[in-house]
Amino acid sequence: DAGVIQSPRHEVTEMGQEVTLRCKPISGHNSLFWYRQTMMRGLELLIYFNNNVPIDDSGMPEDRFSAKMPNASFSTLKIQPSEPRDSAVYFCASSPNDDSYNEQFFGPGTRLTVL
Amino acid sequence: DQQVKQNSPSLSVQEGRISILNCDYTNSMFDYFLWYKKYPAEGPTFLISISSIKDKNEDGRFTVFLNKSAKHLSLHIVPSQPGDSAVYFCAATGRTSNTGKLIFGQGTTLQVKP
Repeated sequence: DAGVIQSPRHEVTEMGQEVTLRCKPISGHNSLFWYRQTMMRGLELLIYFNNNVPIDDSGMPEDRFSAKMPNASFSTLKIQPSEPRDSAVYFCASSPNDDSYNEQFFGPGTRLTVL
Repeated sequence: DQQVKQNSPSLSVQEGRISILNCDYTNSMFDYFLWYKKYPAEGPTFLISISSIKDKNEDGRFTVFLNKSAKHLSLHIVPSQPGDSAVYFCAATGRTSNTGKLIFGQGTTLQVKP
């Protein structure tokens, strides 16, 4: 299995621009998680989906952030407009069922830099 | 408010010695705890976990200890190897209370010197 795939691996953009991060979970996994990693706060859960339905989006920082999962094999995290404080590494993870205590499999991350 | 805290940003140990990474939590509803390991430019990978019904879980060189009364857990690596150099995250969740998500700490960077 290829594991969780994220694209792009690196994104550099200017403040105010729209940014779209993409994730392909492991086939057969029905839970998908978006995290943000910063030095100060470590790994923060932004949102998670179960069977393509958003279950908990309480970690989404602002209305500028939105996430979708149109099907079982694809999810996007969009930031519009982006700001310098959004600079971080964004991870996508998937797990086999809807209990998040199960092992989560992480993608390699997207390093976002907003200038 | 950080519900899971790793107060040591970094730790350096000599190869062959013991590495002890610590983690504290505040939410008494947490009943399942995990450690993840992260190498540069890669995503975190699951290392070991422990349920609150246990106070110790061992897997090879890795042992996790849980002290529920102190709301504290620790990861012991014995003996430490240079390949163990990575960032270690502890995470917690509440299965019985159905909080439904992992809460991660800030991470501790471990350096094992040859």
